[in-house]
Formats: sequence, C-alpha cells, structure tokens
Amino acid sequence: DTAVSQTPKYLVTQMGNDKSIKCEQNLGHDTMYWYKQDSKKFLKIMFSYNNKELIINETVPNRFSPKSPDKAHLNLHINSLELGDSAVYFCASSQGPAGEETQYFGPGTRLLVL
Amino acid sequence: ILNVEQSPQSLHVQEGDSTNFTCSFPSSNFYALHWYRWETAKSPEALFVMTLNGDEKKKGRISATLNTKEGYSYLYIKGSQPEDSATYLCARNPGSSNTGKLIFGQGTTLQVKP
Repeated sequence: DTAVSQTPKYLVTQMGNDKSIKCEQNLGHDTMYWYKQDSKKFLKIMFSYNNKELIINETVPNRFSPKSPDKAHLNLHINSLELGDSAVYFCASSQGPAGEETQYFGPGTRLLVL
Repeated sequence: ILNVEQSPQSLHVQEGDSTNFTCSFPSSNFYALHWYRWETAKSPEALFVMTLNGDEKKKGRISATLNTKEGYSYLYIKGSQPEDSATYLCARNPGSSNTGKLIFGQGTTLQVKP
C-alpha cells in the first residue's frame, strides 16, 4: 500500500505542451505539497494545500497551477512547457500544516521537456 | 548563514566506522528542523523532527542533536553499515507555525564500504 503515490512516474514531452502530474495520499492527511528538485539537486517548495485551500504559493511561473479536488489529491498542471521545467517533481503530505509535522514524500515524477 | 547548509557534501567511510555530519541554519526565526534519509531511486524518508534547543533524538544507530541558539544540528551514525548509504537531508521550517514550508539543504551523501 503506497502512502503517497504520483502518476506518471516518467513524463517525456515537447516544449509548448500542457501536462498534468497527479498525486494521491491514503494517509488521511489534511495537507499536501509540491516540491521541485532543481538542477543542483535541492528540493524546493512550490505549493501547499491544507484542506483544499492554498496556503503556500512560492515564486513559481503562473504556467504552474495546482488543483486540489479533495484532501487526498493534489494535482499539478503545467502549461506551455519549457526546457527549464525539466526536473523531478515530488509530492508530499502531512497530518496538518504546522512546521513540526512530518512530511511523507511520494516517489517523484521525472519530467523531461525536449 | 542565509540558507540551510550541510557539510560535508559527501563522505566515504568503512563499515563499522561511526560518522557525523552537520546542518547549519539561520538561528533567527527558527521553528523546526527536519532530518530525512534519501536512498537512490526512493522517496525521502523522515528520520527526525526537532523543535527545542538541546533536543536529542535517536532511532537505532542514528541520533541527532539540535542547537537553535547557534544554528546547527548534528546527525550521528554509530557503526555504519552498507545499508546506511544514502543522502541525508536536513530542512528548516522558517518560523511559521501554520505552514509546513521546509527549506532544504543540499544533503550529505554517505557511502559505506563493506
């Protein structure tokens, strides 16, 4: 039973396309996150939702739009993909939004934009 | 220190050696420090969350200490085993109690030789 799952695992696409990555957690958590692993391997927070409400929105191009249809799902839609969007995207969840809550990570989605 | 910095970047030890590495962070606006273990091709896995100055946490052969006044945390591994080979990440929650925003360091990659 995977606690935090992401689909797809790999995504290869052309510049200019629009794509979505899906994340689901079966832990009953209220809070979910999207992170991007950049070219220097740092994990950087992009967005967070708590109970379907956006609570973290870092400086990210507005081509990236998160959507949380319910507490168990947080999807990431990317419009007009650019070469620089190639990265590994990780979803995570935590019981609540507090800073001391443990975050549980998904396996990552490896996006390659050609 | 403006961000989270980890040292060394990589470390090679022999099986049975004990080792430790450092996470440095701004001492102002501290709320929580997280340690994660990240094996290749897997998800980051939570080790510890620490909030109080002087905190010490232990899980098996791995332990961590926290000094919030001077802005550092140490992770210790006693009697390293090949299965301890992984990247160890620390992440700081920057003084916000109501968002789980984590700022990650670049990690220390540990290789344990049998």
